[in-house]
Amino acid sequence: QVQLVESGGGVVQPGRSLRLSCAASGFTFSGFGMHWVRQAPGKGLEWVAVISNDGSEKYYADSVKGRFTISRDNSKDTLYLQMNSLRADDTAVYFCAKDPDILTGINGLAVWGLGTTVTVSS
Amino acid sequence: IQMTQSPSSLSASVGDRVTITCRASRSISGYLSWYQQKPGKAPKLLIDTASSLQSGVPSRFSGSGSGTVFTLTISSLQPEDFAIYYCQQSYQNPPTFGQGTKMEIK
Repeated sequence: QVQLVESGGGVVQPGRSLRLSCAASGFTFSGFGMHWVRQAPGKGLEWVAVISNDGSEKYYADSVKGRFTISRDNSKDTLYLQMNSLRADDTAVYFCAKDPDILTGINGLAVWGLGTTVTVSS
Repeated sequence: IQMTQSPSSLSASVGDRVTITCRASRSISGYLSWYQQKPGKAPKLLIDTASSLQSGVPSRFSGSGSGTVFTLTISSLQPEDFAIYYCQQSYQNPPTFGQGTKMEIK
């Protein structure tokens, strides 16, 4: 079945870096765009970044632009989020989600992982 | 594109008909999805392209709208519907979410 599994979360000090991974299975990973969406404790969903199926196009939320980098390895069916210069307000559960198309398709995000928790604290 | 939901919270009883509104800061045609999220869980896609019900989603859920104003209606609230609901536009990158509407039991 279609599945996404995030990993790499943890507790990190402000200013440090962390890399999240999202392992995909059950579908042709290289055929779809992929998103990262986060949710701070007690807050709503915040879209973070999207990458096209071939990695050629990437978009970021203003709140992470210049600090976070989305990437993918289609040979490993894995999505990544490199997070640098982390701040306290980056503390959140980070979800990866499968796009319905090669990049931000008109249909919604039907497949989500369970999320990985990132806590930025000294 | 900014997405604004109203109300932010809604207190209702089992069996009630409820409607949540989502407004876009500019026209997004029909590129609007609705999600349901329960505590500790990932969001679940209910409706996309404004009115297309996802497979397995009960028919008491319906969506409508186009352009800048959209609605999610639950025709008869059930106990399992008490959750937070989000809209999201996919018309233009970045694909933004509304702030959410918390459905609470009256």
